[in-house]
Formats: sequence, structure tokens, C-alpha cells
Amino acid sequence: EVQLVESGGGLVKPGGSLRLSCAASGFTFSSYSMNWVRQAPGKGLEWVSSISSSSSYIYYADSVKGRFTISRDNAKNSLYLQMNSLRAEDTAVYYCARDVSPTGFDYWGQGTLVTVSS
Amino acid sequence: DIQMTQSPSTLSASVGDRVTITCRASQSISSWLAWYQQKPGKAPKLLIYKASSLESGVPSRFSGSGSGTEFTLTISSLQPDDFATYYCQQYNSLWTFGQGTKVEIK
Repeated sequence: EVQLVESGGGLVKPGGSLRLSCAASGFTFSSYSMNWVRQAPGKGLEWVSSISSSSSYIYYADSVKGRFTISRDNAKNSLYLQMNSLRAEDTAVYYCARDVSPTGFDYWGQGTLVTVSS
Repeated sequence: DIQMTQSPSTLSASVGDRVTITCRASQSISSWLAWYQQKPGKAPKLLIYKASSLESGVPSRFSGSGSGTEFTLTISSLQPDDFATYYCQQYNSLWTFGQGTKVEIK
């Protein structure tokens, strides 16, 4: 069974940093591109970042470019999101999602809440 | 950047109704469009990919159509489990979600 489990969320002050993790199981992690998608409280979905299976291709939304860094460790079946210079508008539930190109994001984690507040 | 616009934002319907949600892209995305269903407190669930292909395990009352810039998601006969928020997503150039359509009980 495919499972994606996010962790690392919490309360952080504006300007602070946080590192999210996503532990994958039930599939060959190294064969898939992975993504982070966020959802602010009461709002819609926003794609944040994508990383290809071998980390050769990395993309970011303009809203996080220069502040967030996506990475993965295929040996540990794990996806990461390093978030620096956090702002109040980064407050959201962050989901990791598997990309089964060209079909979309077929598996999602349960999400981890990041709250940026003083 | 490609913008995705869904309409309506909210839709009130009854069990058994035929429901249609529209998604428009700011430029052509061919058929690189997916639809997701999300229930409160849960992760999104993939329903349709490549505009009209049904994801495995998704009931056949869900269907998608369109290409280029205009797309629709249709639920042929609304069931109690279908009251949720629906999002379109383009993946022609990076990824962009529509703002969502909430389907609520009339």
C-alpha cells in the first residue's frame, strides 16, 4: 500500500525556518517525481515545488522561489522541504504528493500544518 | 504563468442531480488537465487525468471533457458522498490549480 507521511510542521516566528519531511513507502520511491502542495486555512490548493526522480529537475512556485528548497534522499525514501525566511502567508497545511506523469498527482499524504506567527 | 479559473465557486445541488463544473485555462494546455475531489480535513483525491481519463477506482458517474482552454467535470447523478470541493489542475507548464468549486447540499 502506497503511503506518504509528512512531518516537521509546527509554529514558527516570521523570518524563521522549518524543515518538512515526507516518508514514502509501498512503492519504488526513486522512480517517481514528487511534489509539495500547500493549502492555507480555508483556501484552495497551491502547488509549491517539484523534484524529479533523480533530482535532476527542480521547480518552484514564484511565491517560494529563493526561500524554499526541495530535496530528496532515495536511499531513505524521503522527500524534504527546507523553508527559510518564513512569512505569515506561508501558513498552510503542506502535502507531499506523488506525480505519475502524465496523469497527475495520484497519492497524497495527510498533510502537516505550518503556522507562521509571532 | 498559466491561470486556471473554475466556475461556479459554489454549487447547490440535490442527490440525483446532474452537476457540471467548468475550468478555463488562460492559454492552451492541450489535454493536460486533472480533476481532484477534496473533503474537509482530508487530502485531495485524483478523479480524472488527461482531461477525460477516469482514475482507477473512481465511480463512472464522474466524467471529464474538453481540450485546449475549456474543460468540464460532470457528475451524472450526484450521490451523498460527492458533496465536496473540486479542483482542476493543469500540468502542461508546471502545475496550477483552479480556485475550487464547493458542491453543497441544496
